[in-house]
Amino acid sequence: DAGVTQSPTHLIKTRGQQVTLRCSPKSGHDTVSWYQQALGQGPQFIFQYYEEEERQRGNFPDRFSGHQFPNYSSELNVNALLLGDSALYLCASSLSSADTQYFGPGTRLTVL
Amino acid sequence: AQSVTQLDSQVPVFEEAPVELRCNYSSSVSVYLFWYVQYPNQGLQLLLKYLSGSTLVKGINGFEAEFNKSQTSFHLRKPSVHISDTAEYFCAVSDLHDYKLSFGAGTTVTVRA
Repeated sequence: DAGVTQSPTHLIKTRGQQVTLRCSPKSGHDTVSWYQQALGQGPQFIFQYYEEEERQRGNFPDRFSGHQFPNYSSELNVNALLLGDSALYLCASSLSSADTQYFGPGTRLTVL
Repeated sequence: AQSVTQLDSQVPVFEEAPVELRCNYSSSVSVYLFWYVQYPNQGLQLLLKYLSGSTLVKGINGFEAEFNKSQTSFHLRKPSVHISDTAEYFCAVSDLHDYKLSFGAGTTVTVRA
C-alpha cells in the first residue's frame, strides 16, 4: 500500500518565479492538506482540499493556491516567490476531514 | 483557535534511559491530540494519537502518551530509548470541527551511547 508521495524532492527557484508542487494521497484517502515547515519550526497549515474544493485556509497570502483533481491528487502553486518561501512543503492525506493525517516526505524548496 | 507549547526545545538523553517530552495545549473546545516524529531530511511519521476513550495511549516504537484534560497536557514518554530514537518530535492538536493541525515548535531528542 503506497503512502503519500510528493514530487519533486528538491527544487531551486529564484525570486519572482512560480512553482508547482505535487502530491498523491495514500490509497483510499480523499482529503489533502498542505503545510509549510520553515527551518527549525513546526509545520504551518496552508490549506485543505476536499471534493476538489478548498475547504479551509490558513494564514497564507493569495500567492499560495492549490488544486485537487478527481483522483484526489493535489497541486500547490506559489507565485512571485520570495526568499521567505524557502521551506519544506509537506502534503498530508486523510480519509475524512477530522481523521488522522498521514504525511509525505516533503518537497524542499529553496528560493535564491 | 488552538495552540501548542512544547516545553523543551532540546532533550539530550543516554541510551537505555527514559525520556519524557512535554506538551501543553490551549483550546476552548474538545480536541484530538497527536505526536509525530521527524527523522533528518524526512517527512512526519505518526507516533500515536488521542481521539477519545482511555487517557493512556500507546504508539509505535514503545512510545506512550497520557492525556490530562485538567492540565491540558499530552506528554510523551518512552521507558528506554535507543540511538535510533534521535529525531525531532512534534506535538499537534486539532479540534473536533476543524480541519487543520496546529503544531508545536518541536523537541529535538539526541540519544547518546
